[in-house]
Amino acid sequence: DAGVIQSPRHEVTEMGQEVTLRCKPISGHNSLFWYRQTMMRGLELLIYFNNNVPIDDSGMPEDRFSAKMPNASFSTLKIQPSEPRDSAVYFCASTTTGRGTEAFFGQGTRLTVV
Amino acid sequence: AQKITQTQPGMFVQEKEAVTLDCTYDTSDQSYGLFWYKQPSSGEMIFLIYQGSYDEQNATEGRYSLNFQKARKSANLVISASQLGDSAMYFCAMREGSSGTYKYIFGTGTRLKVLA
Repeated sequence: DAGVIQSPRHEVTEMGQEVTLRCKPISGHNSLFWYRQTMMRGLELLIYFNNNVPIDDSGMPEDRFSAKMPNASFSTLKIQPSEPRDSAVYFCASTTTGRGTEAFFGQGTRLTVV
Repeated sequence: AQKITQTQPGMFVQEKEAVTLDCTYDTSDQSYGLFWYKQPSSGEMIFLIYQGSYDEQNATEGRYSLNFQKARKSANLVISASQLGDSAMYFCAMREGSSGTYKYIFGTGTRLKVLA
């Protein structure tokens, strides 16, 4: 399996622009997580899905952030409009519900908003 | 309230020595899982070891072992015979919830530097 695939790996955008981050989870995994990593706040859980349904989005910082999972093999995290403080590494992770199963992480998307 | 606490922002260890990275957690769940991940400078998150809340034996994976003390709610990572390649950020994480609602909460991490 190719693992969790995120795109793009790097994104530089201007303040006010819309940004869309993409994630393809591992085939067969039914839970998907979006995290944001910054020096100040560490790894924050933004939102997670189970069987394509959002379970908890309480970590989404503002209404500017939205996430969708239209099917089992694809998810997006959108920021509109973007701001410099959104600059971070965004990770997508997936897992199954089996006991002891770890979360498998993608390579991350490094977002820079200028 | 912080659910996962890693009190050591940075640690140094001499090559070939053992090192313990601390992690305490807070949960009211009876069933939960504890994980350690390594993040090298290249940025990827690498799973190292898992401990289930009902597991009586401490988990081991090669040079990694997890010192699980349930009553104290601690899950420390022990790396034996440190190598230069062990220099990285280490995160403790807890999986809580029930089937279908599992989520993974991470600590703030400990940066380990192995000295030659």
